[in-house]
This record gives sequence, C-alpha cells and structure tokens, in this order.
Amino acid sequence: DTEVTQTPKHLVMGMTNKKSLKCEQHMGHRAMYWYKQKAKKPPELMFVYSYEKLSINESVPSRFSPECPNSSLLNLHLHALQPEDSALYLCASSQDPLGNTQYFGPGTRLTVL
Amino acid sequence: AQKVTQAQTEISVVEKEDVTLDCVYETRDTTYYLFWYKQPPSGELVFLIRRNSFDEQNEISGRYSWNFQKSTSSFNFTITASQVVDSAVYFCALSEAYGGATNKLIFGTGTLLAVQP
Repeated sequence: DTEVTQTPKHLVMGMTNKKSLKCEQHMGHRAMYWYKQKAKKPPELMFVYSYEKLSINESVPSRFSPECPNSSLLNLHLHALQPEDSALYLCASSQDPLGNTQYFGPGTRLTVL
Repeated sequence: AQKVTQAQTEISVVEKEDVTLDCVYETRDTTYYLFWYKQPPSGELVFLIRRNSFDEQNEISGRYSWNFQKSTSSFNFTITASQVVDSAVYFCALSEAYGGATNKLIFGTGTLLAVQP
C-alpha cells in the first residue's frame, strides 16, 4: 500500500481566512513533504519533515505554517494568503529522507480570492 | 548545479504509436537516483520508476520501458503502443543530497503527452 491521502480536495478561501490542509500516510514513512505546483509547472518543494522534525524550509513565507503532530500526519496551516498562492498543494512521503521514492497524495486545489 | 532537462514540452501521437520521452540530467554526485512520475489531469503524481546511478540495466514493465545511459546522462522513457489513458504530463526527476540529512527531488519541466484516439 503506497497511499497518501490529502484533505480537502478543493479549498476556496478569502485573504483573511485561516484554513488548514491535512496529509496522512500509514506506510511507516519517516519523511514527509509539502510541494506547491502552479499550472504547467513542476512541483516546487516547500517543506521537509524528517523524523517529525522540520529539516527543510525553502524560504516559504510565514503565512504558510507546517506542522507534523506525529509520524503519520502532516498539516499545512494557511493564514492571510494572497491570490498568487492559488495552486495545487501536494503532500508526499518517503521511507526516509535519503533518496527513497517519494509517494504523492492527490493534492489540494487551493483558490485564494 | 543539479539539473534535469526535458526538452520536449508537448508531444502528440495517435493511439498505438510508440513514443519516447527524453530526459537529460546534470549532477556532480557519483551516487544519485532518477525517477519518472506521471501526472494525469486529476493532479496526482504517480510514481513510475526509480533508478540508482549504479544500475544501468534497462527496464521493461508492460508497455513501459526505460533506457538509462550514464555516458550521455540520459534516462529516456518509451511507451509502446500508446493508449488514450497514457495522456498526462510526465516528469523526470533527480534526487540530490541536500543539507547532509535529506535528499531533494529536482524535477524537469515535464512533457505533456497527448494520445489521440
């Protein structure tokens, strides 16, 4: 089983709203990732959690706040987003952070009005 | 710097044609991993294959085959007898060491494959 789940599938929010994206995996993977993907572009790495600790933050604005409550769950808290933050947000996990295959979830399509 | 180039932005074929998607990479690492992912219109990135730098054997999986050549830094992907369901964006990616404790995927820009019935 290589399933990564993400909720919600779609999200529309205003610039003053606070919302959260959720990602879950039950493969025992110890690395989890958030990516942002704009239309017709490859995914861009945002954050990496390794053994539940934040190991990479790719200079992401503070209006995006990741959280890893346990080894199976990864959240992305959103606050005061801008319309240009509208994108597909993909979560992935891998067995460990060193070169293993990343398995992706179906993504959350976010629209910021 | 690490880099992945997918020179073909879009390819259109008719069903049952064979099609090859090109991928050229640059790296200074001696140990690295290469991947292919498929992204259908639904958005999910589907893992297809992972190759490490020490394994140059070609691989075949059903209608899919991969040709890895270190001499030309290429990792090409061929679909034989294409089908409409193969229509998707295909990404080639290179895994590079990042910060000592993590690897990072470097994606190519993707190739949009359209298979016409």
